[in-house]
Amino acid sequence: GQQLNQSPQSMFIQEGEDVSMNCTSSSIFNTWLWYKQDPGEGPVLLIALYKAGELTSNGRLTAQFGTTRKDSFLNISASIPSDVGIYFCAGPHMRFGAGTRLTVKP
Amino acid sequence: DTAVSQTPKYLVTQMGNDKSIKCEQNLGHDTMYWYKQDSKKFLKIMFSYNNKELIINETVPNRFSPKSPDKAHLNLHINSLELGDSAVYFCASSHRSYNEQFFGPGTRLTVL
Repeated sequence: GQQLNQSPQSMFIQEGEDVSMNCTSSSIFNTWLWYKQDPGEGPVLLIALYKAGELTSNGRLTAQFGTTRKDSFLNISASIPSDVGIYFCAGPHMRFGAGTRLTVKP
Repeated sequence: DTAVSQTPKYLVTQMGNDKSIKCEQNLGHDTMYWYKQDSKKFLKIMFSYNNKELIINETVPNRFSPKSPDKAHLNLHINSLELGDSAVYFCASSHRSYNEQFFGPGTRLTVL
């Protein structure tokens, strides 16, 4: 089946720093989705990507659909404490990455 | 207005019992899902229903049986609960299969 590798597993950063995380797949995807899960809540969709090379922003978040169609990147600029949570990538057929746990120190 | 709701929020029960978790969405979506999130926060798809028909049934023990009385509801019934069933179960819905999903708040199941 499809393998999704998400990295890093966790990040500890200072408020104001930029964050980058990525996902790679073992097969070509036609969709990449990025979700955020706050503690005690369900995941919430941040950005959806449907085209190779596509670059989409949502406030301080920017995600890109890799040109090989086997990877995607999520960047967060100027992090703030409420960015804390687990970030998941997801591909077709609802396979999720293992998540990146983000901690932001004020 | 709650988009995807689940009940109960918490469920504590003994091994061997049978329990159900209910899910409702008021978004008019035609596809609903159940996920299991383990203690390491890994999210795994269990079932997917489109227009009340099962379209995904991952490798899930047959003690788990989803039931969709209509497009807005997808309930999860679990028979003979085991310790390893302890997890958070999320319901989700989308406009089309495999599309952008809206998740419920989760049901934390603890089997003692």
